[in-house]
Amino acid sequence: SQTIHQWPATLVQPVGSPLSLECTVEGTSNPNLYWYRQAAGRGLQLLFYSVGIGQISSEVPQNLSASRPQDRQFILSSKKLLLSDSGFYLCAWSPLPYIEAFFGQGTRLTVV
Amino acid sequence: DQQVKQNSPSLSVQEGRISILNCDYTNSMFDYFLWYKKYPAEGPTFLISISSIKDKNEDGRFTVFLNKSAKHLSLHIVPSQPGDSAVYFCAAVYSGAGSHQLTFGKGTKLSVIP
Repeated sequence: SQTIHQWPATLVQPVGSPLSLECTVEGTSNPNLYWYRQAAGRGLQLLFYSVGIGQISSEVPQNLSASRPQDRQFILSSKKLLLSDSGFYLCAWSPLPYIEAFFGQGTRLTVV
Repeated sequence: DQQVKQNSPSLSVQEGRISILNCDYTNSMFDYFLWYKKYPAEGPTFLISISSIKDKNEDGRFTVFLNKSAKHLSLHIVPSQPGDSAVYFCAAVYSGAGSHQLTFGKGTKLSVIP
């Protein structure tokens, strides 16, 4: 069966510090991978998606970037965090571009 | 402009009764709709979906109804159980043209009272 791992679960970072969140998927090949953010009082916002190694599409201009160095690895990064980057970050995968997406446990990021 | 709206931020229902969660959308290109359930500090889990060619899909205690003319869908949970207490997200997608944009509503927090 397929599983998705996302870490860390919680993170507190100072403004201006870098960020790296990692997500890996097991039990499937060539998954579509996604990064979402849930900010306070808002729904889930798609940040990045990837249909293959090295292929990244950004949905929203922001202070973040994503990379896919391996087929089942998806990384969310920032060079300098802003206070507005605080939120709940979710990695997800799907076998096809959108029928059902399966989510990781999420990372609660607090920028102080 | 919010394309998927869940106008009720919260809902309280007595255990054993029916829970009805509503969702409206504005983009007529959406052709597939999903409901996700989310517990605090966890990722959402897929619950049930419906294609725009149908008006009803049922899975156990969960039924989703779609009214395309009204651009409205609803999730019915019968009977409601305390374990159903969670935030429910409605999501919509236009599956054509290789779209990857799954648009979520802001969620409705359901509380089932024992």
